[in-house]
Amino acid sequence: SYELTQPPSVSVSPGQTARITCSGDALPKQYAYWYQQKPGQAPVLVIYKDSERPSGIPERFSGSSSGTTVTLTISGVQAEDEADYYCQSADSSGRVFGGGTKLTVL
Amino acid sequence: QVQLVQSGSELKKPGASVKVSCKASGYTFTSYAMNWVRQAPGQGLEWMGWINTNTGNPTYAQGFTGRFVFSLDTSVSTAYLQISSLKAEDTAVYYCARDQQWLALWGQGTLVTVSS
Repeated sequence: SYELTQPPSVSVSPGQTARITCSGDALPKQYAYWYQQKPGQAPVLVIYKDSERPSGIPERFSGSSSGTTVTLTISGVQAEDEADYYCQSADSSGRVFGGGTKLTVL
Repeated sequence: QVQLVQSGSELKKPGASVKVSCKASGYTFTSYAMNWVRQAPGQGLEWMGWINTNTGNPTYAQGFTGRFVFSLDTSVSTAYLQISSLKAEDTAVYYCARDQQWLALWGQGTLVTVSS
């Protein structure tokens, strides 16, 4: 299986824009998905198929893809967005997660 | 209500076995495969594998062969994860998650603690 690489941490001030990247050789051929996980809670899907937002997820969450890198963008970051974020991709052999990025809201 | 409800926390001694359950409700159980995901303390999400809920055929990720077994009881819409010969490093939260290529529906997680 392949690997997905994320930065361990990203820090932003409230109201600023946070960008979290995820890199992997298979990403040009496979969709990426993003999850938010807060302490003690199960992960929550925030983006699917690179850029689609599930119902109930705020509009400030968006996703994009370019070559071997996908990006989760959170515009106008709020204190409640402080969490761990994981990218995930899939192929016929299974699923793979990135290592996770801790988003700190300063 | 569409949900996955997992069994409660477990405390086991090294060498013992544990069986975690994941009961689905609110949808047709056999319409989606079920994934299992491990999260060790302070660590990231690790995909363990999945089970085809139509055929019962499991697929295990690297590192999760041998001691890990996925099974089903479709009569009660429940998936199971059994871990044998438990080791301290198996201490983790184990999640089940419904597969649609993405994992939109997760159980609440089951903490398995292995300690003497």
